[in-house]
Amino acid sequence: TQLLEQSPQFLSIQEGENLTVYCNSSSVFSSLQWYRQEPGEGPVLLVTVVTGGEVKKLKRLTFQFGDARKDSSLHITAAQPGDTGLYLCAGGGAGGTSYGKLTFGQGTILTVHP
Amino acid sequence: NAGVTQTPKFRVLKTGQSMTLLCAQDMNHEYMYWYRQDPGMGLRLIHYSVGEGTTAKGEVPDGYNVSRLKKQNFLLGLESAAPSQTSVYFCASRGTSQETQYFGPGTRLLVL
Repeated sequence: TQLLEQSPQFLSIQEGENLTVYCNSSSVFSSLQWYRQEPGEGPVLLVTVVTGGEVKKLKRLTFQFGDARKDSSLHITAAQPGDTGLYLCAGGGAGGTSYGKLTFGQGTILTVHP
Repeated sequence: NAGVTQTPKFRVLKTGQSMTLLCAQDMNHEYMYWYRQDPGMGLRLIHYSVGEGTTAKGEVPDGYNVSRLKKQNFLLGLESAAPSQTSVYFCASRGTSQETQYFGPGTRLLVL
């Protein structure tokens, strides 16, 4: 069974601060996705990384996939109250029988105070 | 284009009662999934389907059954609800060549 350990579970910061969320596993994943979920809604995909060492940027968010494809990080620069939400990492398996199944981390609840 | 819809939005059951959660998608996706979300545990896969008429077990299938009689619908059944099944249930769908899973808004279930 593949497991993804996400840390920290809770993060409470002031507007303008930087933060990093980590996602670690002992297993290799073919891809790593990051989702954001707001209260009362389903998760929404932010990014997919598929190559070891890959870095993707979305405005103030930077996503990195580890060289060995076992870990990933999400860095937010100058956090804003609108960034508040639950952030989930999810690993995708390799091979034709994975059928797009994902293994999710426990999630990080981020609260950004004005 | 409604995406993924789920009914009902909220339900309260007594222990031992049965119910069916309905998921519908209008994106012609082959793959569909049912997850449960509990505090501190992320999303866990219950069952999934790779096409009409096919279903398979996920990580936590016990106590649940599913059916995919039509491509656009994926039903999750609880035959005899237990308090441990109190959770938020999410349905998702994905195309075979896509990376993105599209999630519904969730069904909040409370079993007393």
